[in-house]
Amino acid sequence: ELKVEQNPLFLSMQEGKNYTIYCNYSTTSDRLYWYRQDPGKSLESLFVLLSNGAVKQEGRLMASLDTKARLSTLHITAAVHDLSATYFCAVAPPGSARQLTFGSGTQLTVLP
Amino acid sequence: GAGVSQSPSNKVTEKGKDVELRCDPISGHTALYWYRQSLGQGLEFLIYFQGNSAPDKSGLPSDRFSAERTGGSVSTLTIQRTQQEDSAVYLCASSLGGGTYEQYFGPGTRLTVT
Repeated sequence: ELKVEQNPLFLSMQEGKNYTIYCNYSTTSDRLYWYRQDPGKSLESLFVLLSNGAVKQEGRLMASLDTKARLSTLHITAAVHDLSATYFCAVAPPGSARQLTFGSGTQLTVLP
Repeated sequence: GAGVSQSPSNKVTEKGKDVELRCDPISGHTALYWYRQSLGQGLEFLIYFQGNSAPDKSGLPSDRFSAERTGGSVSTLTIQRTQQEDSAVYLCASSLGGGTYEQYFGPGTRLTVT
């Protein structure tokens, strides 16, 4: 059974600081997704990582994937208040990207 | 263009009643997924449709849950004899196909069973 673990679950940080969210998964997969969810809203796709060593950046967010370590990271650079949200990683089982298995989410609060 | 739409946005029902939740995927997307988001269980996969293939129902939690997709487009998730533990946000997503395609999520239906 595929398990996905995120940490930390809660993250409170000052504006301007850097931090990293970690996503570990238990079985082989080369497809990892990061989503953002604002309170009361649906999931917004941030990144799709499809190969070992993949790195994608959008604004202050950068995601990477290490399939050998079964680890993805979401790095936040110089955080701003607008980044406050819950961030989920999701992994597709090997051989298929049908159902996604989600991590528990990281609730990020950026303080002024 | 239009995204994934779901209706109703909120549904309050009494325990034991049946409910139907609707999902309109993005036009041209052949794959459609249902997920459930609840406080205790996080985000869980329920069911997947791809084109005319038989659906993958492996995530449905009980036989009270069923879903169909008519004409390869609109999907309806039905929950019979609702229980309080069915209270959750039900999210629908669609993608261009299975495989590596990105899944786009709808706004969800918040179901409350009283």
